[in-house]
Amino acid sequence: KQEVTQIPAALSVPEGENLVLNCSFTDSAIYNLQWFRQDPGKGLTSLLLIQSSQREQTSGRLNASLDKSSGRSTLYIAASQPGDSATYLCAVQVQGAQKLVFGQGTRLTINP
Amino acid sequence: KAGVTQTPRYLIKTRGQQVTLSCSPISGHRSVSWYQQTPGQGLQFLFEYFSETQRNKGNFPGRFSGRQFSNSRSEMNVSTLELGDSALYLCASRDGILGTYEQYFGPGTRLTVT
Repeated sequence: KQEVTQIPAALSVPEGENLVLNCSFTDSAIYNLQWFRQDPGKGLTSLLLIQSSQREQTSGRLNASLDKSSGRSTLYIAASQPGDSATYLCAVQVQGAQKLVFGQGTRLTINP
Repeated sequence: KAGVTQTPRYLIKTRGQQVTLSCSPISGHRSVSWYQQTPGQGLQFLFEYFSETQRNKGNFPGRFSGRQFSNSRSEMNVSTLELGDSALYLCASRDGILGTYEQYFGPGTRLTVT
């Protein structure tokens, strides 16, 4: 059974810092890994999608890496801004089951 | 293209009642999935529909059901509501059935059962 873990559960940093969010998964049989952002009470916004054959993806100040063999992904946020405050979720698309398995998320607060 | 839309956005129901939630996928997307989000359990997969057929189902009781119409719009139904069904219900769509396709989520329906 695929399990996804995100560390830390919560993170508070001053504006301008670079930061790393971690995601680990137990089964390497995945199609891809997605990072999402969720604002309080809202739906999920897709940030980055990394296919299983890829090592990283970049979008603006965000960079996500994937090491399938070790079951790890990181989301790097450069020059953080207060508007980056949200919960960040990673999810793996499980082979065979055709579903996303989510981590519990990291609640990020950027202090002005 | 318009994103995934869900209606209603908020719903309050009483225990024992039933409820129907609706999801319209991104135009051209034929796969629709449903997820339940609660503070205790996080995001959990309910089911996925593709071309009007349920392709996969999560570990939820039979009170949770769904369907998909020929225009790819989907509905999910929860019968005999329980307090524990209070949650944010999220719908996602993707372009194809293969697992490599990116999932796009709607804003969710907040269901409160009293």
